[in-house]
Amino acid sequence: QKEVEQNSGPLSVPEGAIASLNCTYSDRGSQSFFWYRQYSGKSPELIMSIYSNGDKEDGRFTAQLNKASQYVSLLIRDSQPSDSATYLCAVNSHYNQGGKLIFGQGTELSVKP
Amino acid sequence: SAVISQKPSRDICQRGTSLTIQCQVDSQVTMMFWYRQQPGQSLTLIATANQGSEATYESGFVIDKFPISRPNLTFSTLTVSNMSPEDSSIYLCSVEKAVVDGYTFGSGTRLTVV
Repeated sequence: QKEVEQNSGPLSVPEGAIASLNCTYSDRGSQSFFWYRQYSGKSPELIMSIYSNGDKEDGRFTAQLNKASQYVSLLIRDSQPSDSATYLCAVNSHYNQGGKLIFGQGTELSVKP
Repeated sequence: SAVISQKPSRDICQRGTSLTIQCQVDSQVTMMFWYRQQPGQSLTLIATANQGSEATYESGFVIDKFPISRPNLTFSTLTVSNMSPEDSSIYLCSVEKAVVDGYTFGSGTRLTVV
């Protein structure tokens, strides 16, 4: 079993719709969770971090964490063509500074005008 | 969050040669991480670089192939040694300045081995 799993996609949604990206992880000791966006040819860019069960909202982005189910998701409301990118879920098992970050394989999102 | 300067941004190298990639951070950080991203794939951690001690390598990566230096708290290098075409990838360094900032990545080094 992979440590962090995502649906590889591609996920295609129309402009203005909600895009839902999902991620599961295997290490129950994981304590911090991140969503990165990576445009083609660019390095990953952090868009959301979440540490506690529940929802965390930032603009059009909402991260959801359920530690009991070992599940984290990212919702993108009012999707725009500029949101088209690969979204990487990453998990860190050490809450304090210095733990290593393990990435899922990424989900390619395409937002159609 | 931290700002990372990584170079070179890209290089084309002959097989059998070595390339050293540099990362400079604008502030002191305890750990620096080196990742590899093969074409069409996600990021795989190569090693964690600590200042003043040997790097910690992940399964499948060895020091002879990927020697790492960490001479101070703002700088690290990764060398890809005795390169083969299978080493063609993007190599990225990363740091965590503070938990709330998450991890920041350098701009990456796109390596092509011919």
